[in-house]
Amino acid sequence: SQQGEEDPQALSIQEGENATMNCSYKTSINNLQWYRQNSGRGLVHLILIRSNEREKHSGRLRVTLDTSKKSSSLLITASRAADTASYFCATDASAGAGSYQLTFGKGTKLSVIP
Amino acid sequence: DTGVSQNPRHKITKRGQNVTFRCDPISEHNRLYWYRQTLGQGPEFLTYFQNEAQLEKSRLLSDRFSAERPKGSFSTLEIQRTEQGDSAMYLCASSGTRPGPLDTQYFGPGTRLTVL
Repeated sequence: SQQGEEDPQALSIQEGENATMNCSYKTSINNLQWYRQNSGRGLVHLILIRSNEREKHSGRLRVTLDTSKKSSSLLITASRAADTASYFCATDASAGAGSYQLTFGKGTKLSVIP
Repeated sequence: DTGVSQNPRHKITKRGQNVTFRCDPISEHNRLYWYRQTLGQGPEFLTYFQNEAQLEKSRLLSDRFSAERPKGSFSTLEIQRTEQGDSAMYLCASSGTRPGPLDTQYFGPGTRLTVL
């Protein structure tokens, strides 16, 4: 079963605009991660935010986490055509020293138009 | 290249045949994961190894599926008597302390299986 649900399912923006994607999840988590996947390829890790963190930045990426609402958002600023991809949130709800098994949402398909 | 590698990248087989995929993790990673991804969905966890020990298996991993990680290095995923419903992308990931952190998984390019 899929824990996370991304919203929107698809997003189309012009190059240079900002893109915001949201993720909601159901159970308590240790951390939440965002991944990017180009068409038909493997996943690239973007950023990890732990349950005791509220915001994290990495280059043009900004991630927020609200554990009270069980939601996260990924903001990509000044988007580029190369940002066109599917973006997935993944949660790790392993208890204790667990396996760090990730549960993914269905993803947001981002299209950046040059 | 120090990333996760998977072979083959594509596999087309006929229903009923057996297939085997290989994953080579990042060399210093002791944890290895297999996921399956179908079209339009996110990856779903299949199984996990810590070194050579298989510690968790998903209910998705039917009796026709078996995974091994001899010597705690590369891993193989075998599917016996393939069915059309097995058609998917099979993704391997690894994690460890270098590069870390331990809970960050690095994914390979995947093996796309098509069962005719």
